Amino acid sequence: NAGVTQTPKFQVLKTGQSMTLQCAQDMNHEYMSWYRQDPGMGLRLIHYSVGAGITDQGEVPNGYNVSRSTTEDFPLRLLSAAPSQTSVYFCASSYSGARNSPLHFGNGTRLTVT
Amino acid sequence: QKEVEQDPGPLSVPEGAIVSLNCTYSNSAFQYFMWYRQYSRKGPELLMYTYSSGNKEDGRFTAQVDKSSKYISLFIRDSQPSDSATYLCAMQRDDKIIFGKGTRLHILP
Repeated sequence: NAGVTQTPKFQVLKTGQSMTLQCAQDMNHEYMSWYRQDPGMGLRLIHYSVGAGITDQGEVPNGYNVSRSTTEDFPLRLLSAAPSQTSVYFCASSYSGARNSPLHFGNGTRLTVT
Repeated sequence: QKEVEQDPGPLSVPEGAIVSLNCTYSNSAFQYFMWYRQYSRKGPELLMYTYSSGNKEDGRFTAQVDKSSKYISLFIRDSQPSDSATYLCAMQRDDKIIFGKGTRLHILP
C-alpha cells in the first residue's frame, strides 16, 4: 500500500517559471490538502479539498492553484514561481473530511526558486 | 496572534526523563486535537488524537486537553534517543487542520 505519493522529491525553478507538484493517494480518502513547511513557521495550510470537484483556500493560498478532478489526485500548481515559494511542500489526506480522521502525509517535495 | 502557539525549542532532556510538550490556542471552535512526530526529511506521522478534555494514554505517550484553558499537552515517559524529533500539535475546526510551529526535541543518551 503506497499511501500518499508526492512527485518530484526535489525541484529547482527559476523565478517566473511554472510547475505542478503531484500528489496521489491510494487509500480512497475523500479529504486532501497541501501544506508548506518553512523554518520557524511550522506547517501552513495552502489549499484543501473535501472531495472530487471541491476545493477551498487555507491560510496561505496566494500564488498557488489546485484542482480535484479525481478522488486519488490533488495537484498543486505554481503559476509564476517566486523565491518566497522556496519551501518543503507536503500533501496529506484523510478518510472522512477533516472531522475525526487524522491526516496521512507524503514525504514532501523540496522546492528551490532562484 | 496565531491561532495555535507552540514553543519551537529546541528542548534537550536526558534519556529516561519525562518530556512535556505544550500548545495553546485562541479559537474555541477547535474540536479535534492531534500530535504528530516528524523525523528529519520525512513527513509528519500521527502520534495521538482526541476530541475531549481530559487525558488519553497510549504506551509511553499521554495527550492532555484542557478546553477551558485552551491548552494541550503531550507527555512522553521514559524518553528514548529514538524520540528525538520535531513534535507538532494540530487542531481541527470546520474542514481545516491548523498546525503549531513544532518543538524540536533532543533526547541525550
